[in-house]
Amino acid sequence: AQSVTQPDIHITVSEGASLELRCNYSYGATPYLFWYVQSPGQGLQLLLKYFSGDTLVQGIKGFEAEFKRSQSSFNLRKPSVHWSDAAEYFCAVGATYNFNKFYFGSGTKLNVKP
Amino acid sequence: EAGVAQSPRYKIIEKRQSVAFWCNPISGHATLYWYQQILGQGPKLLIQFQNNGVVDDSQLPKDRFSAERLKGVDSTLKIQPAKLEDSAVYLCASSFPNTGELFFGEGSRLTVL
Repeated sequence: AQSVTQPDIHITVSEGASLELRCNYSYGATPYLFWYVQSPGQGLQLLLKYFSGDTLVQGIKGFEAEFKRSQSSFNLRKPSVHWSDAAEYFCAVGATYNFNKFYFGSGTKLNVKP
Repeated sequence: EAGVAQSPRYKIIEKRQSVAFWCNPISGHATLYWYQQILGQGPKLLIQFQNNGVVDDSQLPKDRFSAERLKGVDSTLKIQPAKLEDSAVYLCASSFPNTGELFFGEGSRLTVL
């Protein structure tokens, strides 16, 4: 069965520091992978997605993520965090047998210190 | 472009009462989803529609939850009777089929007392 693990529940970084949010997935084939961001009181917004090809994908707001098949990981990175990046981040895996079905991780809440 | 609209944004009810949530997806999006997001957890799929047909409702507690999408556009999710553990945010999302991008509404927060 498909599953997504985000090991870090909360992360605090200083503004301007680099960020890496971890995501590990379990899936029997090459998955479709996504990162979504949820600001307080808002719905989820897609940051980036990986379907195939280049394993380093660029997203909106300066985020990138790297797919590592050997580690079953899809970690999200940003070189310099801004205070407006404080939000909750969700990793998701899409089932390739049903492209419209998604499984979400439990999320990582990011706090940004001034 | 208008986003996914949901109402009401907030609802407080007593257990055993009923509640209904409404969702209007982005125009032209054939696929519509209802997710349940309990505090501290990621969204969990309740039901997925393709046009007005149900694609997946395997995780919908059918003894108390029901959903419909008449005419393949807007959708209603109903809970009757509500239990304490139904307290959550109910998120509606829509997408074009096979694009891999969900567009979410702001959610409907339910508190069951």
